[in-house]
Amino acid sequence: QSALTQPRSVSGSPGQSVTISCTGTSSDVGGYNYVSWYQQHPGKAPKLMIYDVSKRPSGVPDRFSGSRSGNTASLTVSGLQAEDEADYYCCSYAGSYTYVFGTGTKVTVL
Amino acid sequence: EVQLVESGGGLIQPGGSLRLSCAASGFTVSTNYMTWVRQAPGKGLEWVSVIFTGGTTYYADSVKGRFTISRDNSKSTLYLQMNSLRAEDTAVYYCARERSASYSPLHFFDYWGQGTLVTVSS
Repeated sequence: QSALTQPRSVSGSPGQSVTISCTGTSSDVGGYNYVSWYQQHPGKAPKLMIYDVSKRPSGVPDRFSGSRSGNTASLTVSGLQAEDEADYYCCSYAGSYTYVFGTGTKVTVL
Repeated sequence: EVQLVESGGGLIQPGGSLRLSCAASGFTVSTNYMTWVRQAPGKGLEWVSVIFTGGTTYYADSVKGRFTISRDNSKSTLYLQMNSLRAEDTAVYYCARERSASYSPLHFFDYWGQGTLVTVSS
C-alpha cells in the first residue's frame, strides 16, 4: 500500500487561507468516506482535526475544513494563525482493515 | 480525562525483541478498538496494527508475522510484542484509540499517546 501523496510544504501569511491536497486511489481516498486529517507539532503526538472527509471534532476551530473530489481529499485552513504552523497528515481507510497515511505537509506561517 | 502513556522503547540490536506497553486511563480498553502507529525519524506516519473489541487483530504487511498486538483488560494496557527487529523498524511508536460506536469502528483515531522511541541498531 503506497502512501497518499501530499505536497511537501505550503505557506501563507496570517489571515490567509492554505489548502493541502491528499491524493490516493479509488481503493482508498476515493473508495471510502473515511478520510481523516491530523495536525502534529514538533515532538508532539498527532491531533485529530477532521474525520469522515469533512467532519470536525468538538474543540477544533471552524477555520479547519475538509473536502474531497474523486481520489483527492483536501484540508483548508482559513484565517491562518501562528499556532497552525505544524505538519499535517491525511489518512484513509484502505479496505481489508488497513489504513494508509499521507506523506505529510509542513505548513509555514510567514 | 482520556490518557494514553506508552513505555518500553529503547535501543535494541537487529534481530532482537522488544515489548511496548500503552497504559490507558479515562476509558475502557476492552470496549474500544486500539491501534499502534509508528513514525520513523523525520518521516511520516505509518499504521501498524489494530486489535478489535472482540480480540481480532490486523497488521500492516511490513510487520506481519513479526509483531503481535494484545491487551490486558485487567490492567487497561495495550501491548505490542516486536520480534525479529530490523533497522527499518526504528521509529516512535504511538498507541491510539480508534473511535467506535456500538462496537463498530468509525475509522479515525481520536486519542493518541506521546509515543515511545524504538531504535534498532548494532
